[in-house]
Amino acid sequence: AQTVTQSQPEMSVQEAETVTLSCTYDTSESDYYLFWYKQPPSRQMILVIRQEAYKQQNATENRFSVNFQKAAKSFSLKISDSQLGDAAMYFCAYRSPLGEGETSGSRLTFGEGTQLTVNP
Amino acid sequence: NAGVTQTPKFRVLKTGQSMTLLCAQDMNHEYMYWYRQDPGMGLRLIHYSVGEGTTAKGEVPDGYNVSRLKKQNFLLGLESAAPSQTSVYFCASSYGLLAGPEGDTQYFGPGTRLTVL
Repeated sequence: AQTVTQSQPEMSVQEAETVTLSCTYDTSESDYYLFWYKQPPSRQMILVIRQEAYKQQNATENRFSVNFQKAAKSFSLKISDSQLGDAAMYFCAYRSPLGEGETSGSRLTFGEGTQLTVNP
Repeated sequence: NAGVTQTPKFRVLKTGQSMTLLCAQDMNHEYMYWYRQDPGMGLRLIHYSVGEGTTAKGEVPDGYNVSRLKKQNFLLGLESAAPSQTSVYFCASSYGLLAGPEGDTQYFGPGTRLTVL
């Protein structure tokens, strides 16, 4: 079974600075998908960024980018020019490729989360 | 578009009581999911559905049942609530992988906080 580990329960950053959140995962598969989700105090989960393992290029979305190291099974999230609205719990998630047809769904395995505080 | 909505937002039950959580989505998504979130843990999949009339077990299905009678709705039932089921429950939906590379992106509802006394 795949596992996802976020070793930083809490992180803090000064407004306008850069912060990196760590995520490692364990899998024997060669093709898979990785995600970062953000959960603000409203509790709703919001997709931040998505990475396909077969793509060597790191995904970016505005101020959010990832450092995907496939050999090391590492998937860190970098937030540049941090804003107060970035304060939230961040979850790393893994999705396997489909096995037998569509019946396996697109099941996500989540890490434990990292609580990010942004200081003004 | 309302996206994914969940009813109710909060609920308190006594041990042994039953209840149903409703999830609705207006994005014409094929796949729907129920997760639970406990302190210090990531979300864990309870049950999911890959289409109307289908359901499947996830990681922690015991004590829960689900139904997907209509494509837009996914119901989660607790037949006899236990204190261990105190949690925040999230519903999510996605287009499904046949929709293309982005089809596995899941859209989440706002959550339901359930307390079982």
